[in-house]
Amino acid sequence: GENVEQHPSTLSVQEGDSAVIKCTYSDSASNYFPWYKQELGKRPQLIIDIRSNVGEKKDQRIAVTLNKTAKHFSLHITETQPEDSAVYFCAWSEGGGNKLTFGTGTQLKVEL
Amino acid sequence: DGGITQSPKYLFRKEGQNVTLSCEQNLNHDAMYWYRQDPGQGLRLIYYSQIVNDFQKGDIAEGYSVSREKKESFPLTVTSAQKNPTAFYLCASSPGTGDGYGYTFGSGTRLTVV
Repeated sequence: GENVEQHPSTLSVQEGDSAVIKCTYSDSASNYFPWYKQELGKRPQLIIDIRSNVGEKKDQRIAVTLNKTAKHFSLHITETQPEDSAVYFCAWSEGGGNKLTFGTGTQLKVEL
Repeated sequence: DGGITQSPKYLFRKEGQNVTLSCEQNLNHDAMYWYRQDPGQGLRLIYYSQIVNDFQKGDIAEGYSVSREKKESFPLTVTSAQKNPTAFYLCASSPGTGDGYGYTFGSGTRLTVV
């Protein structure tokens, strides 16, 4: 499948700070970009998604921005809390269909 | 388990043995997927099915097989041809095959070769 580059691979922030994770994709036909959160030993859970017809979407402390021209999208978490500590995966739909390709993940640690 | 159930949670396989991982969903989803997750890595697609009696290979299908005889079920068999099967296996489903449907994941099966 096509590649998704995800950065950084690990991220450590102080409680209350913001965290930003960025993904770059290659298929210009993709129209759907979800983000998943996976706590240790558990299943990934969808936390937010965005479609190509909008540039930004926000849900409380979480936001996603999309730049289709540059082919990258980012997850923004504000006012981080210890329970935000997890692995976060970006994904995008291949060729405009429903099969998702996932990034390599970012281990976020929120320190007290 | 949120409408999609994987079993068993832990599975041990001996060398040369085939094992089957179960995935059942009651969400009436058309599409189902199997991913493999290795430590520190992302999710890699093994097989997917968009409709009953049809399935396609993903990026790492070698050594695996699937069937989709019922809409609710998408079992994965790890054959003896898979030389490094130790991993966390995740099954997922989505409502349709068009663009823009998020996945619902099962709780996973951790397979270990002994």
